[in-house]
Amino acid sequence: GAVVSQHPSRVICKSGTSVKIECRSLDFQATTMFWYRQFPKQSLMLMATSNEGSKATYEQGVEKDKFLINHASLTLSTLTVTSAHPEDSSFYICSAETSGILGNEQFFGPGTRLTVL
Amino acid sequence: AQKITQTQPGMFVQEKEAVTLDCTYDTSDPSYGLFWYKQPSSGEMIFLIYQGSYDQQNATEGRYSLNFQKARKSANLVISASQLGDSAMYFCAMSLPGNMLTFGGGTRLMVKP
Repeated sequence: GAVVSQHPSRVICKSGTSVKIECRSLDFQATTMFWYRQFPKQSLMLMATSNEGSKATYEQGVEKDKFLINHASLTLSTLTVTSAHPEDSSFYICSAETSGILGNEQFFGPGTRLTVL
Repeated sequence: AQKITQTQPGMFVQEKEAVTLDCTYDTSDPSYGLFWYKQPSSGEMIFLIYQGSYDQQNATEGRYSLNFQKARKSANLVISASQLGDSAMYFCAMSLPGNMLTFGGGTRLMVKP
């Protein structure tokens, strides 16, 4: 089946540093990848839609200068949290879209838990 | 705009019993897809089952079945013969053509031995 990986799985950093999270589709090409954020005991909230070779589309309320997204290839999208602060601590999940029996299916990565001290 | 509602923040079920997790949705688009995902404590999102708006029959996948009531705009998940490993968060989600997934607030299911 379609496998999506995320790296790192867990990161702890000091306030003010930048953190890069990678999302890779391992056995398929994904023209579209999605980045979600999940705070404790809450649902997934879409942050942005990332299309290969073009600028990401951000959801309302998500600062594009703070959450930099680069979709450099059909198998890799990166999310960089710039100048991270404690309120950015969250679980970040990516998904990659491919065409399947369900139409355009999304396959989720295992998530990255970010803790900003 | 589409909206997904899960009214049960938490549910208990006895092991080996069946349980129904509620999901209602709202959209004016006639073409949509409904998904259920399981999220264990590890955080990964595990796809369980899918129902298309034009599907005539309710979807089933092993112990999971989706009770699709189109007129009521509900897509409840039924888990039969609950197992301890079913304890997790469960999310209902909806997609429209060309659109991203919209998730409900989730239901935490706890299976009692």
